Amino acid sequence: NAGVTQTPKFQVLKTGQSMTLQCAQDMNHNSMYWYRQDPGMGLRLIYYSASEGTTDKGEVPNGYNVSRLNKREFSLRLESAAPSQTSVYFCASSTTGAKNQPQHFGDGTRLSIL
Amino acid sequence: GDSVTQMEGPVTLSEEAFLTINCTYTATGYPSLFWYVQYPGEGLQLLLKATKADDKGSNKGFEATYRKETTSFHLEKGSVQVSDSAVYFCALIPFSGGYNKLIFGAGTRLAVHP
Repeated sequence: NAGVTQTPKFQVLKTGQSMTLQCAQDMNHNSMYWYRQDPGMGLRLIYYSASEGTTDKGEVPNGYNVSRLNKREFSLRLESAAPSQTSVYFCASSTTGAKNQPQHFGDGTRLSIL
Repeated sequence: GDSVTQMEGPVTLSEEAFLTINCTYTATGYPSLFWYVQYPGEGLQLLLKATKADDKGSNKGFEATYRKETTSFHLEKGSVQVSDSAVYFCALIPFSGGYNKLIFGAGTRLAVHP
């Protein structure tokens, strides 16, 4: 049972390069999320998708774009990477976007911007 | 805005010791409260939750009680094991707002030694 799968697991970029982080879930969940995790700050929501065809900004959306490709997949794109985007990125999903639905997390993508 | 404050780590304990990780929150109304755990190299997993005042969440020997009067949700375990070594995140979902928005604390690292 794969759950939430993120690719790649690690990536190093140069400032100004672009990159897409991939996320797929096999639990037939409607809602998906992208977070970033920085030392001493916990996880912060970048974007979320309550259902297929919809996306909304979270707490820290600047510098990112997302695409809900279909029900299973939700990608995060950095158009012009900056050192401040060095972080660990987590994708999550939940049955619906209703409050208190448990969120299931992937294992993360560790991204370094030089 | 709504926020979560956790005790700073790392917390270092010997096996079979009693564990308390403090968590307090700032929020209007009655948020839902959660503890997530992150084992090394993995994503976050829901450990327990409580959705109303005086509720006690419990799982795998861990417990936390929703205390509205002290705005707290402290995590406890009577006898920790080496396998409990991980980072623990306290989180809330605000009372207001229509979607499944998790707000995380900074996390507390627990190290348990034999």
